[in-house]
Amino acid sequence: AQSVTQLDSQVPVFEEAPVELRCNYSSSVSVYLFWYVQYPNQGLQLLLKYLSGSTLVKGINGFEAEFNKSQTSFHLRKPSVHISDTAEYFCAVRELNTGNQFYFGTGTSLTVIP
Amino acid sequence: KAGVTQTPRYLIKTRGQQVTLSCSPISGHRSVSWYQQTPGQGLQFLFEYFSETQRNKGNFPGRFSGRQFSNSRSEMNVSTLELGDSALYLCASSLDPDYEQYFGPGTRLTVT
Repeated sequence: AQSVTQLDSQVPVFEEAPVELRCNYSSSVSVYLFWYVQYPNQGLQLLLKYLSGSTLVKGINGFEAEFNKSQTSFHLRKPSVHISDTAEYFCAVRELNTGNQFYFGTGTSLTVIP
Repeated sequence: KAGVTQTPRYLIKTRGQQVTLSCSPISGHRSVSWYQQTPGQGLQFLFEYFSETQRNKGNFPGRFSGRQFSNSRSEMNVSTLELGDSALYLCASSLDPDYEQYFGPGTRLTVT
């Protein structure tokens, strides 16, 4: 079965410092990959997605992620974080041609420290 | 374009009761999925509907059911509520099952 692992449940980082949130998945078939952000008491908002093509994808709010097929990873990065980036971040994987169900990681809580 | 809307936003029910949650997808989206989010379990997939047909179902008991109407609006029903059903229920819509999902704000269900 598909699984999505977000290795860090909590990541504290100082304002204006870089951050990387890690995501690994297990799948033997082609996948689509996504990162979502959830602010308190809100639903999930799409940050970026990888469907095909360039393995480096850029999203909203200055975030980017790189798909590494050999390592089955899709890590999220931002070169300089802001206080407003404090939120929960979810990695998601959608397997193609096997039911197309979404699988979500357990989330990483990013706290930006002033 | 209006986003995904969910009603009600907050709900308090008693054990043993049943509840119906509603989701209106983004206009033109035909796929609707439901998730349960709890602090301990994270996001767990409930089911997905596409063109009024259930395409996928997660590992939840039969007390959890759903349906989709011809206008793509969806409802989920939970019967015989248990304390453990307290959670944020999220609905997500997509243009097609292969595309990214857009989430609604959720319905916060509290079972007492």
